[in-house]
Amino acid sequence: DVQMTQSPSNLAASPGESVSINCKASKSISKYLAWYQQKPGKANKLLIYSGSTLQSGTPSRFSGSGSGTDFTLTIRNLEPEDFGLYYCQQHNEYPPDTFGAGTKLELK
Amino acid sequence: QVQLKESGPGLVQPSQTLSLTCTVSGFSLTSYNVHWVRQPPGKGLEWMGRMRYNGDTSYNSALKSRLSISRDTSKNQVFLKMNSLQTDDTGTYYCTREAYTTDSYWFAYWGQGTLVTVSS
Repeated sequence: DVQMTQSPSNLAASPGESVSINCKASKSISKYLAWYQQKPGKANKLLIYSGSTLQSGTPSRFSGSGSGTDFTLTIRNLEPEDFGLYYCQQHNEYPPDTFGAGTKLELK
Repeated sequence: QVQLKESGPGLVQPSQTLSLTCTVSGFSLTSYNVHWVRQPPGKGLEWMGRMRYNGDTSYNSALKSRLSISRDTSKNQVFLKMNSLQTDDTGTYYCTREAYTTDSYWFAYWGQGTLVTVSS
C-alpha cells in the first residue's frame, strides 16, 4: 500500500495570509494526488485532483503542485471559510485508496 | 444533482453486525462506482471498499474478512455490512462516488456521513 505522510498536522493562520500543506507518498504516484476539505456538518469537498487540477467550483486561491512523491496544497489570501481540515489522497495505485492523516487549519 | 445519503443505526453492540445504507440520487449505480470510507473520531480517513458499476466489489485487506458490500440498483442503494464489531470500529462512515478519467478516479461526491458508536 502507498503510505501518505501529511504535514503539518496543525497550522494557524490569519485571513489574508497564505499557507502551504505538504503531502509525501511512500513511492511515486506520478501526478495522481487529490486534496479534500472537511468541515463539521458538511460533506467532504474535493478541491483538487491529479495534483493540480481544480475541481469545478474550487476558488482560484487554491492551488496544487508536485509530482512523484512530493505534493503541496497552497491557499493564498485565506478567507474565513477556508479554516477546517484538509486531507490528501493518492489516486494512482489502488485498492486501497490511501489518505494522509490530515491538517487542521485554524484561525490564529 | 448528485447526492448520497448514509443511514443506519447510531449504536451497535460489540461483536454485533453493522448494516448501513447509502441512498443515491442524480446518477445511476450502473454507471459509477461507489465507495465506503470511514473516520474514527479525531482521526484520518480509511478506505473500506467499493461497489463497481458492474456489480464487482473490492475491499480493504484489513477489513475483508468482516466486510461485505452489496447493492439494489432498483432502489438506488448501496449496502455495507460489517460483522464482529469492536470499539475501534466507532466512527463516521461515508459513502462517496467517483469521478474518473481513463487513467484514474477520485472522490468527487460525498455523503454527510453517519456516526456509528460501538458500545454496550
